[in-house]
Amino acid sequence: AQSVTQLGSHVSVSEGALVLLRCNYSSSVPPYLFWYVQYPNQGLQLLLKYTTGATLVKGINGFEAEFKKSETSFHLTKPSAHMSDAAEYFCAVITNQGGKLIFGQGTELSVKP
Amino acid sequence: DAGVTQSPTHLIKTRGQQVTLRCSPKSGHDTVSWYQQALGQGPQFIFQYYEEEERQRGNFPDRFSGHQFPNYSSELNVNALLLGDSALYLCASSSLGQGSSYNEQFFGPGTRLTVL
Repeated sequence: AQSVTQLGSHVSVSEGALVLLRCNYSSSVPPYLFWYVQYPNQGLQLLLKYTTGATLVKGINGFEAEFKKSETSFHLTKPSAHMSDAAEYFCAVITNQGGKLIFGQGTELSVKP
Repeated sequence: DAGVTQSPTHLIKTRGQQVTLRCSPKSGHDTVSWYQQALGQGPQFIFQYYEEEERQRGNFPDRFSGHQFPNYSSELNVNALLLGDSALYLCASSSLGQGSSYNEQFFGPGTRLTVL
């Protein structure tokens, strides 16, 4: 069965510092991988996705993630945090076209001034 | 383009009651998926509807049922509500019918259900 593990339920960084949110997945077939962001009292917004091709994926708001098959990881990074990045971030996997998304538990990102 | 819309935004019910949540997909989408997000948790897949039929189902009891209408909108029904059903219910739409290799799911703002 597919699963997603996000290391760290809460990450706190200073404004301007590197953001690193960790995600490991378990899948018996090549996965499609996603990062979503959720602001308070809102739905989920897609940050970026890996389907096929280049393993370094760039998304919105300066975020990027690298698919590492050997490490079964898909960590999310941003070189310089902004106050507006404070939100809940979810890593997710999907293993068949159009199928269900399996989410991790989420990581709450706090950004200190 | 209105995107995915859900109604109502908030709902308070008591144990044992029944509830119906509604979702209108993004224009051009034909598939609707429902997710339950308990407080502090990631969303969990309930089921997916395509061509007015349940295409996939997650690990939820039969108290959870759904429907998709010819205009692709969808309803989620929950019977015999339990306290543990309190959660944010998210609807996501996508376009399975267009044969693309990947079908991104667009999420609505959710309906917050509180069961007392």
